[in-house]
Amino acid sequence: DAGVTQSPTHLIKTRGQHVTLRCSPISGHKSVSWYQQVLGQGPQFIFQYYEKEERGRGNFPDRFSARQFPNYSSELNVNALLLGDSALYLCASSLGGLPGYTFGSGTRLTVV
Amino acid sequence: GENVEQHPSTLSVQEGDSAVIKCTYSDSASNYFPWYKQELGKGPQLIIDIRSNVGEKKDQRIAVTLNKTAKHFSLHITETQPEDSAVYFCAESWGKLQFGAGTQVVVTP
Repeated sequence: DAGVTQSPTHLIKTRGQHVTLRCSPISGHKSVSWYQQVLGQGPQFIFQYYEKEERGRGNFPDRFSARQFPNYSSELNVNALLLGDSALYLCASSLGGLPGYTFGSGTRLTVV
Repeated sequence: GENVEQHPSTLSVQEGDSAVIKCTYSDSASNYFPWYKQELGKGPQLIIDIRSNVGEKKDQRIAVTLNKTAKHFSLHITETQPEDSAVYFCAESWGKLQFGAGTQVVVTP
């Protein structure tokens, strides 16, 4: 069975640009969450979606947005990139009704 | 800021010894406490979890204990092996996951 898949695996962007990161959850999982992990720190919660509706938002600026599609895949969008947005962006999926989150390998975003 | 404090930040152990990582949390509503292992270049991997109605859970060489009154929980790894070397994160959840800062565990042969 495929786990949580994220694309791309690595990305380099310039300050001010926009980026879209993609996530496909485990088959049958209806909830997708996004996390930002800065080097040397624990992951920080950005968004949670369940059945295509936003169920939670972390303390991130409005430049960050996300959505979930009918097939439960998800996109994370970041506008007006800053150097400080450089991080590993992780997607996690779960069944939704029960805890138990499976993470993907992440997208390494570097902003230059 | 983080609601989960994790100690120590680094831990060096000899192969075969035990490793213990401790976490404290502040949110009384938290009811789920997972532990993740993260290897270089990979996402966090769930290794064990515990619910708030359970005090201890074991899975082979790994065990987790939870003290809800004191709001702390711990990970115990016995008979450590070099492949246990990684960064370990505790987390607490009442919906979203709140992670600790991580513990770099190094197991030397």
